[in-house]
Amino acid sequence: QSVLTQPPSASGTPGQRVAISCSGGSSNIGSNTVNWYQHLPGTAPQLVISTNDKRPSGVSDRFSGSKSGTSASLAISWLQSEDEADYYCAAWDDSLNAVVFGGGTKLTVL
Amino acid sequence: ELQVVQSGAQVKKPGESLKISCKGSGYSFTSYWIGWVRQMPGRGLEYLGIINPADSNTIYSPSFQGQVTMSADRSINTAYLQWSSLKASDSGIFYCARILEATIMDVWGQGTTVTVS
Repeated sequence: QSVLTQPPSASGTPGQRVAISCSGGSSNIGSNTVNWYQHLPGTAPQLVISTNDKRPSGVSDRFSGSKSGTSASLAISWLQSEDEADYYCAAWDDSLNAVVFGGGTKLTVL
Repeated sequence: ELQVVQSGAQVKKPGESLKISCKGSGYSFTSYWIGWVRQMPGRGLEYLGIINPADSNTIYSPSFQGQVTMSADRSINTAYLQWSSLKASDSGIFYCARILEATIMDVWGQGTTVTVS
């Protein structure tokens, strides 16, 4: 059971917009910033959103992030087949004194 | 090129010791903390802790305190994760990553698969 809650799966067709939610509590998302990682099994995870809504250099502008209260969201616009991957949210937890990850969302491009 | 490169896959027996490595290049290795993350088979990512290569200061996740040991050799830009007595439950893929700031892991290694059987 992960501290941050994500839906286990999401899907969309090419060109669609999909959003992945990440729900936490006052000790993590509620008081700290959220980062999002894209992970294709067998490869290195990649940072796609940092500090709630900042896109690192080299990451497509189709990726965007937002945070409100104790929840965060990753949106991917104009979905492409190359976006098919697992996505994880992460934040520092003040109570656990550790970074906590969501359980991951497997995104399928239909 | 900015990168972190990890050592290769390991197959060990229960009770054996193991040390895996993570070498940074293309940046000032001692200017950024290194974090370690585990992925058990079929599971998500778990945070083990972080180490400051400049002075080997470590902060462990409470879940992994006492289970693993992080270390670093700044002279060769390498961080390490080690076990003194492996258990089957230590199997998984272990990733290291550069900590850009706060909790942002911006450059990840390719992962080291550890199989204990």
